[in-house]
Amino acid sequence: NAGVTQTPKFRVLKTGQSMTLLCAQDMNHEYMYWYRQDPGMGLRLIHYSVGEGTTAKGEVPDGYNVSRLKKQNFLLGLESAAPSQTSVYFCASRVQGYGYTFGSGTRLTVV
Amino acid sequence: DQQVKQNSPSLSVQEGRISILNCDYTNSMFDYFLWYKKYPAEGPTFLISISSIKDKNEDGRFTVFLNKSAKHLSLHIVPSQPGDSAVYFCAASASGSARQLTFGSGTQLTVLP
Repeated sequence: NAGVTQTPKFRVLKTGQSMTLLCAQDMNHEYMYWYRQDPGMGLRLIHYSVGEGTTAKGEVPDGYNVSRLKKQNFLLGLESAAPSQTSVYFCASRVQGYGYTFGSGTRLTVV
Repeated sequence: DQQVKQNSPSLSVQEGRISILNCDYTNSMFDYFLWYKKYPAEGPTFLISISSIKDKNEDGRFTVFLNKSAKHLSLHIVPSQPGDSAVYFCAASASGSARQLTFGSGTQLTVLP
């Protein structure tokens, strides 16, 4: 039982490049979330999904897109990376009435 | 405007003593509060939670207190152990279909042997 798996764990991008972060959960959770963590700011919600095929914006959605084509996967895309998107990204999932399970994070640096 | 605030970026405590981590919130719609613990290079892990209908919840060495009138909660760790050294995040959510969590900025706890 792997829980929540994020790939890749590390990535360096050049400004303007694109990439997709993958989050996979094997717990059959309905809800999935993408957060970013920056120094002194805690975790901030980027996008979330309440079920397969549905997504919604969080607190800081600009510059990101998401897709939830399969229940177990939640993808976060950066179409044109900017240095301001340098951060640690965490994916989480949960089932109704229970707490979040987080992945171990993706450290992204945009140069 | 931060809706959940942890005003102490760091806290150092001697092993065996009590650690008290504080958190304030501004959104009166929050009705569920959680504490997460985070080690370097790992994701946050759930520690303890409390519903707004309670004012205290205990789990072993960890106790969370909620003061709704002051919009304040605290996490007590007794006795503190070196393995408790980590970043602690306070989080809150309001009722709704997605139950998004709003996090504080975290407090680095260091327990000295």
